[in-house]
Amino acid sequence: NAGVTQTPKFRVLKTGQSMTLLCAQDMNHEYMYWYRQDPGMGLRLIHYSVGEGTTAKGEVPDGYNVSRLKKQNFLLGLESAAPSQTSVYFCASSPGTQRALAKNIQYFGAGTRLSVL
Amino acid sequence: AQSVTQLGSHVSVSEGALVLLRCNYSSSVPPYLFWYVQYPNQGLQLLLKYTTGATLVKGINGFEAEFKKSETSFHLTKPSAHMSDAAEYFCAVSGPGGATNKLIFGTGTLLAVQP
Repeated sequence: NAGVTQTPKFRVLKTGQSMTLLCAQDMNHEYMYWYRQDPGMGLRLIHYSVGEGTTAKGEVPDGYNVSRLKKQNFLLGLESAAPSQTSVYFCASSPGTQRALAKNIQYFGAGTRLSVL
Repeated sequence: AQSVTQLGSHVSVSEGALVLLRCNYSSSVPPYLFWYVQYPNQGLQLLLKYTTGATLVKGINGFEAEFKKSETSFHLTKPSAHMSDAAEYFCAVSGPGGATNKLIFGTGTLLAVQP
């Protein structure tokens, strides 16, 4: 029962470097989300997707791009990392419209700790 | 617009004491409300949720919460704290009519349990 898997678990970048965070879910969920978690600020939505090939901006999308080429994968990219992007990143997935009673429940991965120096 | 306010970023209780974590919400539509727990270095795990129906909802690990529309509150309680309850707790809200199931999270309450 893998659920939501995030890779890598840890990463250190230098300012200006790029990287991609991978999120994979094996629950056939329609919706996927990327959040960042910072001390005292809770979780803030970066981007989300309501289906394969579709993405949308969340609360804090600047500096990030995403892609959902396959239903089970949701990639988060940082084209030019900045120290302000030092954070813990969480991916989540949700059944969406598949199961009405459970559609609002989100299932989270274990997170990726990113430091930008 | 929806928002969540969690009163108290840090709460400390003694083992065996009542746990009360406060959450107030703002929503222009009937809300769906959630409590998630995050143990150190882990992702978030759903504790309980309120969508419709009974306003007192029970979750895992002995936690429960009551939806009070008149007070716009969804406080989390547990009668007797256990050391294993030490974690960060997040309240979240979403709207039933939203097609994207987006959650708005509070800033979290870190619960410490003293022996």
